[in-house]
Amino acid sequence: QSLLTQPPSASGTPGQRVTISCSGSRSNIGSYTVTWYQQLPGTAPKLLIYSSDQRPSGVPDRFSAYKSGTSASLAISGLQSDDEADYYCATWDDSLSGLYVFGTGTKVTVL
Amino acid sequence: QVQLQESGPGLVKPSQTLSLTCTVSGGSINSNSYYWNWIRQSAGKGLEWIGRLYSFGSTIYNPSLKSRVTVSVDMSKNQFSLVLRSVTAADTAVYYCARGTVAGGIFRYYFDSWGQGTLVTVSS
Repeated sequence: QSLLTQPPSASGTPGQRVTISCSGSRSNIGSYTVTWYQQLPGTAPKLLIYSSDQRPSGVPDRFSAYKSGTSASLAISGLQSDDEADYYCATWDDSLSGLYVFGTGTKVTVL
Repeated sequence: QVQLQESGPGLVKPSQTLSLTCTVSGGSINSNSYYWNWIRQSAGKGLEWIGRLYSFGSTIYNPSLKSRVTVSVDMSKNQFSLVLRSVTAADTAVYYCARGTVAGGIFRYYFDSWGQGTLVTVSS
């Protein structure tokens, strides 16, 4: 069972804004920055957001994220068909002896 | 631009050992600025971090797999490897290698480069 909980699905029409939540605890999101990955069908995950709200070069500013307390959110504005993918939050968790944890994943569908 | 490529058998029998290698090109694995990870993904399931290796063999593993996992490095070949012992069908997954960053002596908890992944099936 993952330590980071995401809704299994989210959807929107082209141009809409979609938000994905990631709920954790003090031992993970509450203590460390959050990363978001995008996984297009049949491909490896791709870094989308790091350090809770930073976009790597090449990632459109339609993608934004923030962290507050033990939760984080990813927003996709101006939704496009090629945004249809699985999205995962992730961070370090210092319970037990420490481990990197991924969220349960959210499938974004463009209607 | 660094590239990572996984390689190894696609089929492993139950109770045997899974061995995979990640070849790093376009950058040296012998760097204090990066650490090297294995992650897996079962069919239709989410991502699971297996473990990481940093700087001359320092490792840390997912507690749920720790008793069966070893990650090691071959600096001469610019490769790092995963060994998972006593496999079962539950270990069937796509296995990825990925690079993490160390900045200012602090581990940054994101992976900026990933291999394409390799499917390993555990079956007799």
